[in-house]
Amino acid sequence: GENVEQHPSTLSVQEGDSAVIKCTYSDSASNYFPWYKQELGKRPQLIIDIRSNVGEKKDQRIAVTLNKTAKHFSLHITETQPEDSAVYFCAAKTGANNLFFGTGTRLTVIP
Amino acid sequence: DAGVIQSPRHEVTEMGQEVTLRCKPISGHNSLFWYRQTMMRGLELLIYFNNNVPIDDSGMPEDRFSAKMPNASFSTLKIQPSEPRDSAVYFCASSLKDYTEAFFGQGTRLTVV
Repeated sequence: GENVEQHPSTLSVQEGDSAVIKCTYSDSASNYFPWYKQELGKRPQLIIDIRSNVGEKKDQRIAVTLNKTAKHFSLHITETQPEDSAVYFCAAKTGANNLFFGTGTRLTVIP
Repeated sequence: DAGVIQSPRHEVTEMGQEVTLRCKPISGHNSLFWYRQTMMRGLELLIYFNNNVPIDDSGMPEDRFSAKMPNASFSTLKIQPSEPRDSAVYFCASSLKDYTEAFFGQGTRLTVV
């Protein structure tokens, strides 16, 4: 099946700085790439997604980029705030509609 | 819609006992996923159903685990017999089939002692 790798596993940034999380995937047929945020003790929730016919998508302070040739995609958070502290997961949905997740990045924003 | 509903929220059981986790997907969704979350392994896909049919169960760790979806509004994940290493948070998620957001339930925290 699909193999999604995510880096880094932990990330600490100063409030106001940017954070970047990177993921790679193995199945070239994957065509939908969501990012989820999970706060402590809560369920993962979608924050942004991108489809394979788009190279970049932005929603306020969050942006995602996709490079299908290299099979990698990234999450960018600008002007980070303490409430951005959480675990972030990337995922890839294959042509068979399976949804595979990366191992997560624990982001800490230091006030 | 109340979202994806899982029960129970917490389960503590003794090693060797049977455990059944339940999930009600969002009405109209035709894909259902079961995940297991641990600190070490993150979110592992256990099994994926489409239109109530198991499509991929390659993530099911061993024969002690089984999952069913008897109809579009209900799924179960059963562990028999349970072992301490099964302790984790189990999430159910549902989505529409074609490349749309998966919505997660609140999860079941399973502790096997």
